[in-house]
Amino acid sequence: DTGVSQDPRHKITKRGQNVTFRCDPISEHNRLYWYRQTLGQGPEFLTYFQNEAQLEKSRLLSDRFSAERPKGSFSTLEIQRTEQGDSAMYLCASSSSAGGPSNQPQHFGDGTRLSIL
Amino acid sequence: SQQGEEDPQALSIQEGENATMNCSYKTSINNLQWYRQNSGRGLVHLILIRSNEREKHSGRLRVTLDTSKKSSSLLITASRAADTASYFCATGRPGGTSYGKLTFGQGTILTVHP
Repeated sequence: DTGVSQDPRHKITKRGQNVTFRCDPISEHNRLYWYRQTLGQGPEFLTYFQNEAQLEKSRLLSDRFSAERPKGSFSTLEIQRTEQGDSAMYLCASSSSAGGPSNQPQHFGDGTRLSIL
Repeated sequence: SQQGEEDPQALSIQEGENATMNCSYKTSINNLQWYRQNSGRGLVHLILIRSNEREKHSGRLRVTLDTSKKSSSLLITASRAADTASYFCATGRPGGTSYGKLTFGQGTILTVHP
């Protein structure tokens, strides 16, 4: 069990640029979640996948945000035309759905910290 | 939006003392989970309690759940300096496409002084 891996750990970019983050979940987990966390707050749900299907998207996920999980393994989160308000920690988590996904803990990666200049 | 409210927002204790953190939530839940986060790192799962359970233990951790009051508490006994972290409660909603999605509170910052 190598844990959830996120890349890059830090990203600094200028406003208006596009950024893409990658998440590699625990290999046997079929559920993958993206959260955003700002300083002093708890994580806020963005979206999640079961296998390759994106089952829910938060209203926080504007049309500048897109997430994919093309083969049901790794996932990418892309932010287009970044804005100052996008500065945050982007966290990925994965879980099994065995026994019911709501009864499974989520395993988090260390996140990608995005800073918009 | 944040579902849970944690109390206190910050807690400072001496090593060896017990730490109690509380969490309140607003809607029906399927389970409630507690996570720990060290500065600049991801969240680490501590304990999950289902809506039909009232108390659960794991090592030095004790979690209670009162669904009638929509509240939970996390007790860490015999605290250590290494327990210094932020602690979050998170609720899982029953049913629908939100099944499995977690809604987090704002967290309690725990500082344990050696």
